[in-house]
Amino acid sequence: SQTIHQWPATLVQPVGSPLSLECTVEGTSNPNLYWYRQAAGRGLQLLFYSVGIGQISSEVPQNLSASRPQDRQFILSSKKLLLSDSGFYLCAWTQNTGELFFGEGSRLTVL
Amino acid sequence: AQSVTQPDIHITVSEGASLELRCNYSYGATPYLFWYVQSPGQGLQLLLKYFSGDTLVQGIKGFEAEFKRSQSSFNLRKPSVHWSDAAEYFCAVRGGYQKVTFGTGTKLQVIP
Repeated sequence: SQTIHQWPATLVQPVGSPLSLECTVEGTSNPNLYWYRQAAGRGLQLLFYSVGIGQISSEVPQNLSASRPQDRQFILSSKKLLLSDSGFYLCAWTQNTGELFFGEGSRLTVL
Repeated sequence: AQSVTQPDIHITVSEGASLELRCNYSYGATPYLFWYVQSPGQGLQLLLKYFSGDTLVQGIKGFEAEFKRSQSSFNLRKPSVHWSDAAEYFCAVRGGYQKVTFGTGTKLQVIP
């Protein structure tokens, strides 16, 4: 069966520090991968999605970037965090059915 | 560009009463539509989905949704709400290039 792992679960970082959130999927190949940010009152905001290795689509201009170095690995990064980057980040994958399968999420607090 | 609107931020219903959560989408072609539920502190779970065919789809936990192309809507319904249904509900649309867009969510409160 397929599983999705996302880490770290919780992160507290100072303003200006770098960020790396990692997501890996097991039990499937060539999934579509997604990063969402969930904030109160804004629902799930699509940040990036990828349909293959090295293919990244960015939805919202911001301080973040994403990379897909391997088929089942999706990384969310920042060189210098802002206060506004605080939030709950969710990784998800899907294939032809379109149904998204979510990781457990990473809560980022920028101080 | 595709988008989803959930006009109700909060809804309160009595246990045993019926429920309807509204969802309107914007997409140029026939969309794939979804409803997800998120309980506090937990991840998102798929309730139901619509791809094609019968416009009334059944999901888990007694939920159903009806796709109305003329109204660009995909409202979620349940005939009798249980206290355990209290959660946040998200409508989503999958359009071109595998892009999946969510609405802002509706928080459901169930009172005894």
